[in-house]
Amino acid sequence: SYELTQSPSVSVSPGQTARVTCSGDALPNQFAYWYQQRPGQAPVLVIYKDSERPSGIPERFSGSTSGTTVTLTISGVRAEDEADYYCQSADSNGYHHVFGTGTKVTVL
Amino acid sequence: QVQLQESGPGLVKPSETLSLTCTVSGFSISSGHYWGWIRQPPGKGLEWIGNINHSGSTYYNPSLKSRVTLSIDTSKNHFSLKLRSVTAADTAVYFCARVELFTTVTAIEFWFDPWGQGTLVTVSS
Repeated sequence: SYELTQSPSVSVSPGQTARVTCSGDALPNQFAYWYQQRPGQAPVLVIYKDSERPSGIPERFSGSTSGTTVTLTISGVRAEDEADYYCQSADSNGYHHVFGTGTKVTVL
Repeated sequence: QVQLQESGPGLVKPSETLSLTCTVSGFSISSGHYWGWIRQPPGKGLEWIGNINHSGSTYYNPSLKSRVTLSIDTSKNHFSLKLRSVTAADTAVYFCARVELFTTVTAIEFWFDPWGQGTLVTVSS
């Protein structure tokens, strides 16, 4: 199978920048996608194809990639950004499509 | 705007079949999109189950493929999931979602947007 590894938690003060990373061997060859999941709610797509932002998602959400790591950056964090964040991608063959282990972003 | 709503029994006995339906409103299921299922055990992460399009073409998670069947009914604008031989490990919130899928030279890639609100299915006797 294939695994995407995320740090379990990130804590940030309001107005600061939060960075959530996701590591996987195939990420140089496959796009990554990011979802926000607030408690008790369904996930919401915030980034697709590494760095594209869907309509309706605030500009403070951005995505980047470097080698085997992709990063979701939340600039000027707001209290409403407190949530779990999951990356999603696939292995090099596109056979195993998986989600990352998830990162809890806490706004202090 | 497109909305998705899962429905089905909230309790299933071990060894039986879990059956769920996702009803789509505000969008035709006969469009070029795929439609997918994802699940999340309580307090845990997300797991992709499978995708289906209007013509019945499917992609399944290899780890679940032997127990899963997806189907689609364009006349009712809904699609369905059947998971056979369930155990307690299949207890989860089950989400349906619209899938954006594209093919590359070597693989397929896809993402989910939007999602239904999810429905909890508990496997217990």
